[in-house]
Amino acid sequence: EVQLVESGGGLIQPGGSLRLSCAASGFTVSSNYMSWVRQAPGKGLEWVSVIYSGGSTYYADSVKGRFTISRDNSKNTLYLQMNSLRTEDTAVYYCARENGVQRTMTTVRRGGMDIWGQGTTVTVSS
Amino acid sequence: SYELTQPPSVSVSPGQTARITCSGNALPKQDAYWYQQKPGQAPVLVIYKDSERPSGIPERFSGSTSGTTVTLTISGVQAEDEADYYCQSADSSGTYVVFGGGTKLTVL
Repeated sequence: EVQLVESGGGLIQPGGSLRLSCAASGFTVSSNYMSWVRQAPGKGLEWVSVIYSGGSTYYADSVKGRFTISRDNSKNTLYLQMNSLRTEDTAVYYCARENGVQRTMTTVRRGGMDIWGQGTTVTVSS
Repeated sequence: SYELTQPPSVSVSPGQTARITCSGNALPKQDAYWYQQKPGQAPVLVIYKDSERPSGIPERFSGSTSGTTVTLTISGVQAEDEADYYCQSADSSGTYVVFGGGTKLTVL
């Protein structure tokens, strides 16, 4: 079965660090674009970060310099290291597989998120 | 930063047609995707590449595009379609993914 299972969320004080994990089954993480998407309480979806199959990484401005996306190919697992956490980082964090990316010599047409985890809740509060 | 604009809410009666729009300058260059999210659940992809429907998604869900606007259409709306709907695409370079603000569909 193709699925993603997140873990690692919890209650953390402002300024603290947390590492989220996303274990994949039924497909290979390193062969896909993999993203983290978050949703603050009562708010919409916000894209956070992506790691390309080739290893390149990109971040939303709101987390750049504080969060790091990575993967462990041997464990088929995606990670999100979150440092210098702020109250505004409080959210449900989802990992997702991006499917349908099309690359040419000059353009990249991004795909859609066809597989989502169930989400893990991060609460940043003193 | 690049933004996608959706109406905050749409209301329809059962059996009617609901249309949810999403506007963004880069939509002619990047594909659009639509997600349905019910309370307490992860989003579910309902339309990919502007107008394609994943397996298992009812035929009443369809997508279309015109210039800088894409539209999710739900024909013959059912009570179970009440949910939040999000469009997703990318900036013109394809580097950054972006979601619209979401539209709450209410079935009266």
